Amino acid sequence: AQSVAQPEDQVNVAEGNPLTVKCTYSVSGNPYLFWYVQYPNRGLQFLLKYITGDNLVKGSYGFEAEFNKSQTSFHLKKPSALVSDSALYFCAVRDSAPTYSSASKIIFGSGTRLSIRP
Amino acid sequence: DGGITQSPKYLFRKEGQNVTLSCEQNLNHDAMYWYRQDPGQGLRLIYYSQIVNDFQKGDIAEGYSVSREKKESFPLTVTSAQKNPTAFYLCASHLGESYNEQFFGPGTRLTVL
Repeated sequence: AQSVAQPEDQVNVAEGNPLTVKCTYSVSGNPYLFWYVQYPNRGLQFLLKYITGDNLVKGSYGFEAEFNKSQTSFHLKKPSALVSDSALYFCAVRDSAPTYSSASKIIFGSGTRLSIRP
Repeated sequence: DGGITQSPKYLFRKEGQNVTLSCEQNLNHDAMYWYRQDPGQGLRLIYYSQIVNDFQKGDIAEGYSVSREKKESFPLTVTSAQKNPTAFYLCASHLGESYNEQFFGPGTRLTVL
């Protein structure tokens, strides 16, 4: 069965410092991995995804994520945090099964609240 | 502008009443989804539809119903059978292959009085 874990409910970082939001996953086949961000009372916005190829994926707003197959992780990173990065971040995984199969459901993590202090 | 719209943004309902949340997309996406989000929790899948006139139950379908008569529309009805309906409801859509990301609407916050 597919699963995704975000082990930290909250991450606190000072502005200008690097940030990491952790995500580990479990799928039976090859994973498709996604990061989304949610601001208060808004829908989720797509940040980046890993499908195949380069393990380092670059996305919106200066974020990047590193796919590590041996550790089954897909941590979100940013070299220099901004106060405006404060939000709720979700990792999601999907098995690379055909779209129209039940195995293709996307599974979301429980979310990590990122707080950047000035 | 292409995207997903949800209405209303805020909805209040008395106990025992059914209420329908609207979700419309003009992205020409085949698949549509409904999620429920409770404070401090992640997203839980209520129902999803991969093609018109077909839909499947998600993890927490009890007390909810959906229809998919048109590709662009996927309304969710919260029935009186749903014991704790107060939550933030998110609609999403998805194009074709499973490696494509989901697009989310702005959400509807439902409060039962």
